[in-house]
Amino acid sequence: AQSVSQHNHHVILSEAASLELGCNYSYGGTVNLFWYVQYPGQHLQLLLKYFSGDPLVKGIKGFEAEFIKSKFSFNLRKPSVQWSDTAEYFCAVISGGSQGNLIFGKGTKLSVKP
Amino acid sequence: NAGVTQTPKFRILKIGQSMTLQCTQDMNHNYMYWYRQDPGMGLKLIYYSVGAGITDKGEVPNGYNVSRSTTEDFPLRLELAAPSQTSVYFCASSYSRDTSYEQYFGPGTRLTVT
Repeated sequence: AQSVSQHNHHVILSEAASLELGCNYSYGGTVNLFWYVQYPGQHLQLLLKYFSGDPLVKGIKGFEAEFIKSKFSFNLRKPSVQWSDTAEYFCAVISGGSQGNLIFGKGTKLSVKP
Repeated sequence: NAGVTQTPKFRILKIGQSMTLQCTQDMNHNYMYWYRQDPGMGLKLIYYSVGAGITDKGEVPNGYNVSRSTTEDFPLRLELAAPSQTSVYFCASSYSRDTSYEQYFGPGTRLTVT
């Protein structure tokens, strides 16, 4: 079965620190990859997505992610975090032919100290 | 566009009661989904639908039922509520011709079964 692993359950950073959240998936075929963010008390919002083309994807609010096919990874990065980035981040994958069913990782909670 | 809307926002049920969680989207998306989110577990797919009249089970369908009589609506029915169904429920939709398979999420329904 397909799975998505997010390596960190909770990350605590100070403002202006750099961020990298790890994500690995298990499916070997064609995949579409997503990072969603959930701010406290809110619903999931798309940060960025990869489905073809340039493996370095830029999203909203200064986030980016790099798809490395050989490593089955899609790590999320941001050079300088802000207090407002405090949220839970979810990596998700859809494999080709899966009727668009997203498989989610368990999430990484990010706390940014002002 | 309102996007994906869900009602109610919050609900407390007693064990054995039943209820229907409502989900409506106004984006003319043909795919719709129901997920549950439990702390530290990410989101799990309950049921999905690829069009009116067509539904299928996801990863955790037990204790739930769905129907899809129109493109816009995808209600989730809980029969005989159990404490294990205490969770946050998210509805989502996507468009099959969007090759990125991006899903759009509703604001969620927080359900407590006591």
